Amino acid sequence: EIVLTQSPGTLSLSPGERATLSCRASQSVSSSYLAWYQQRPGQSPRLLIYGASIRATGIPDRFSGSGSGTDFTLTISRLEPEDFAVYYCQQYGTSPRYSFGQGTKLEIK
Amino acid sequence: EVQLVESGGGLVQPGGSLRLSCAASGFTFTDYALNWIRQVPGKGLEWISFISGVRHTTYYADSVKGRFAISRDNAKNSVFLQMNNLRVEDTAVYYCARDVSDYIGGAYSLIRFDPWGQGTLVTVSS
Repeated sequence: EIVLTQSPGTLSLSPGERATLSCRASQSVSSSYLAWYQQRPGQSPRLLIYGASIRATGIPDRFSGSGSGTDFTLTISRLEPEDFAVYYCQQYGTSPRYSFGQGTKLEIK
Repeated sequence: EVQLVESGGGLVQPGGSLRLSCAASGFTFTDYALNWIRQVPGKGLEWISFISGVRHTTYYADSVKGRFAISRDNAKNSVFLQMNNLRVEDTAVYYCARDVSDYIGGAYSLIRFDPWGQGTLVTVSS
């Protein structure tokens, strides 16, 4: 079973700053099978990034994904007020078929 | 517009049963697999079940295997989650999500969940 560990648990930043969120896998994960989601308070999760670095439709270019193997990163270049939310990484594997990281909460400093 | 709408949540006693539904619209239903994911209020996301589009191949998380059953009715563009022998720890918001992938080089790749429904709350309590 592949375990995804996200860090930090909580990230406190100000609008306009750069955010760097980490997702580390316990075993190597194909970049093709790594996705990121955003969940705003009271809302359902929304796809941000798939294939480790491909922005989903309608996602602003301030969001970018990178990484390979066991280390993946979600970067938000200049934080907007609507970006303060919880972010989850997800991988497709074998057993279980899918798993999520525990999430990183991005809060306003 | 691609849309998923869950229903069927509510309050049930431990040991009871509940059937969730997810109605899909805006896309060719049989072309896609669907998933159920749950979230304990204030906690993270847990994938619990998958069903493929045509062959109805199913997969489950260990936490629900043997108690939950996923199914779909392609004529009604709906997927279901039959939950039996419910436990207090099954209390969560249950989301359905479309399973999207690209067929590249003879294999499914770039797998992601898009979109998600709004969720339905299941509370297991006496």
